[in-house]
Amino acid sequence: GESVGLHLPTLSVQEGDNSIINCAYSNSASDYFIWYKQESGKGPQFIIDIRSNMDKRQGQRVTVLLNKTVKHLSLQIAATQPGDSAVYFCAESPTSGTYKYIFGTGTRLKVLA
Amino acid sequence: KAGVTQTPRYLIKTRGQQVTLSCSPISGHRSVSWYQQTPGQGLQFLFEYFSETQRNKGNFPGRFSGRQFSNSRSEMNVSTLELGDSALYLCASSLTIGTGVEAFFGQGTRLTVV
Repeated sequence: GESVGLHLPTLSVQEGDNSIINCAYSNSASDYFIWYKQESGKGPQFIIDIRSNMDKRQGQRVTVLLNKTVKHLSLQIAATQPGDSAVYFCAESPTSGTYKYIFGTGTRLKVLA
Repeated sequence: KAGVTQTPRYLIKTRGQQVTLSCSPISGHRSVSWYQQTPGQGLQFLFEYFSETQRNKGNFPGRFSGRQFSNSRSEMNVSTLELGDSALYLCASSLTIGTGVEAFFGQGTRLTVV
């Protein structure tokens, strides 16, 4: 099953280059953010998360940056590989105390050999 | 350990029918959330269950309902199916409820309404 359809923004990068995927979130009260990766036929897979009291968090080959002033989130992937080709979603979690994610529209990452 | 299991993987139903989808969370996880994914609307939250109680609900009509059993397994039901209900329905499980809790998704059930 495809993750999303016809009008996804697409980012094409050369294998080995760094990728930067951006996301604007909607709720200034959100205090937790996640990046998910969705490959064709699969459910979203957790990549990295960040809380609102941080502005940067690093994982293995990935870094998430949070700018609360402009409600912007970005995902940086270092040395992009063919296996990174997928749709990437950001999700925000409001501070309502109930568990609920609001997802962005997604960005399709294509890695060119 | 086993991941989130959703059954069936694919379903074809006729307009006006009803459908029940099943989700088995990761062992030990007590929170289950459901999402609808369509090309036009993306991923949208349906509802969340914790300890057999619905804790939150998205903006979907009452035709969409769910429940959770004592073993944390969850089902969602859609009655009087419409063509627009065709979508990938995803279930996510978490250890507990609340913000800042990682969610693990299943592979989804692809529902086609004809």
